[in-house]
Amino acid sequence: QKEVEQNSGPLSVPEGAIASLNCTYSDRGSQSFFWYRQYSGKSPELIMFIYSNGDKEDGRFTAQLNKASQYVSLLIRDSQPSDSATYLCAVKGNTDKLIFGTGTRLQVFP
Amino acid sequence: DADVTQTPRNRITKTGKRIMLECSQTKGHDRMYWYRQDPGLGLRLIYYSFDVKDINKGEISDGYSVSRQAQAKFSLSLESAIPNQTALYFCATSDSSFGRNQPQHFGDGTRLSIL
Repeated sequence: QKEVEQNSGPLSVPEGAIASLNCTYSDRGSQSFFWYRQYSGKSPELIMFIYSNGDKEDGRFTAQLNKASQYVSLLIRDSQPSDSATYLCAVKGNTDKLIFGTGTRLQVFP
Repeated sequence: DADVTQTPRNRITKTGKRIMLECSQTKGHDRMYWYRQDPGLGLRLIYYSFDVKDINKGEISDGYSVSRQAQAKFSLSLESAIPNQTALYFCATSDSSFGRNQPQHFGDGTRLSIL
């Protein structure tokens, strides 16, 4: 079992729709959770981070964390073609190291 | 100017050559990291450093070495490059002064090809 799992996609959504990206993790001691966006050939860019159970909203993005079920998700409202990228989930446990998932490729079509 | 600068941005070299990738940052962060990214494998940690005197191996350190010359500089060396080290390499930084759970910030990457 991978430590951080994501569906590789591609996830295709029409412009204006809500994109839902999911991530599960295996270490119950994980403390902090991050979502990065990566355009092809570019570096990962931090989108959001969440530490506590529940929802955290920032503009069109909402991160959701459920520690009991060991999953974290990212919702993108009003998806735009410019949101088309690979989204990386990263989890930090007690070791102070980030463990990355392999990413979900999102395609937003006009 | 970028807060985390990696040089070179692209490098093509031959098997057996020694290569150094450099990372410098102006963010004032204490922690620095080196990752490699391969298609389908995601980002994997090579080495990390929590301060100038604290350097640690990551998940895939074999064949690599690092040097933390100053708080702002962290170099990655491939002593004798081999083709399966062809990858996209990223340097990242984080700031522990606000706690252990701070996010990491990435440089633009170095695309390394070993023939």
